[in-house]
This record gives sequence, structure tokens and C-alpha cells, in this order.
Amino acid sequence: DTGVSQNPRHKITKRGQNVTFRCDPISEHNRLYWYRQTLGQGPEFLTYFQNEAQLEKSRLLSDRFSAERPKGSFSTLEIQRTEQGDSAMYLCASSPWGDRADNEQFFGPGTRLTVL
Amino acid sequence: GQSLEQPSEVTAVEGAIVQINCTYQTSGFYGLSWYQQHDGGAPTFLSYNGLDGLEETGRFSSFLSRSDSYGYLLLQELQMKDSASYFCAVRAAHNTDKLIFGTGTRLQVFP
Repeated sequence: DTGVSQNPRHKITKRGQNVTFRCDPISEHNRLYWYRQTLGQGPEFLTYFQNEAQLEKSRLLSDRFSAERPKGSFSTLEIQRTEQGDSAMYLCASSPWGDRADNEQFFGPGTRLTVL
Repeated sequence: GQSLEQPSEVTAVEGAIVQINCTYQTSGFYGLSWYQQHDGGAPTFLSYNGLDGLEETGRFSSFLSRSDSYGYLLLQELQMKDSASYFCAVRAAHNTDKLIFGTGTRLQVFP
């Protein structure tokens, strides 16, 4: 399967702990996005990369969140000092090189985070 | 603020036609996309409208009116497998790839 993969698929943690998620995009895609989705809502943009450069970060993202894409391939999203409000599905998506007008994004299965 | 409004739920029977509306209020507009998401699954791209008018892709069509800040997704010959949530999404600026998603419409198809 050459789609977007995310690990782990589920994470349960206690409030105050740090967690890290990994996303492996489709290999030829140079753009990578992170979104957060809560039950009954649409995905909410967090940040995105073009190759290793982080081009945009949501103003809603607190300083406890950090994302990296060190070699322009896989990406990690770290949440420090987790809070119960961080419980959500964290989705990763990628899109190919080029200024495609439709900007079709290919989503991974997500990592479901539960903060107790 | 930026918002995309959709009906929360729509129901229909197999073989029917259903329309899911989306009205948007964003700082800029560079295209309207539609995504489908089955329960527990990942969103998948369905269609895109950059200009006014109708785009057809098989049983699905999408329409855009930029002057009305409005679009819709039309699903024809409904099948049980079409039961899912449908999201409209806007690219709000030319210098960003981020998408702003709507609140989502849950479609239930009954036999």
C-alpha cells in the first residue's frame, strides 16, 4: 500500500505527558499537512510543510505543539504536557509537487489521541 | 472569522438524488473542494470547483457560484455505500495550500 501512513493509530496518555505521532506521506509528494478532527466536526488545519520547510502554522496551535519534517520525507507531531482538550483524531495528508489548482490532499487513517 | 456552513444531516433512499449545500464566508477564495469520510476512515477527495458552474464526475457533480459564496454536491443514483460524512473545503488564499473545512453533512442512505 503506497498511501499515507500514520503511527500509532491509537494513543492513550495521561494528562501532562508528552506524545509524538509519525506520518509517512506518499513518496513523491512534497507537501505534507497536519489537521485535527474532533467528533462531528471537519478537519481543522494545524500546519503544513513543503519539503522540510514549515510554511504555515495555525494561530490556534499553542506552543505545546511542534511539528518537524527533517529530511522532507516523514513528519512528526509532538504535543507536550497534554491536556484533555487535546483528545482528537490527528490527521496527516500529503499532496504532490506543483501548483495544482485542485490541491487534492491524500489523507492518512489518523492517530486517535485520548488524554485521560 | 472564516466559516463554511453545511446541513448537519441528510437522509435519502437508494436510487434517489441528494444535494448537499455549502455556504462559505472566508477572507479569500481560491476554490471549493468536496471530501467524503466514512466512519472511522480518512477523508477522500471527491471534486473541485475553481470557477462557477457544474463539474461532473460519474454519479457525483459539484456546483459553484462565487457571487453567492455557495456551492453544492449532488449525488445521483444513491447507493448504500454512499452513507458517509461529506465536507466542503475552501482554499482561502493563493499563497497557502491549507484547506478550511466545513462542519460536515452526515448522509444516511436507506434501502
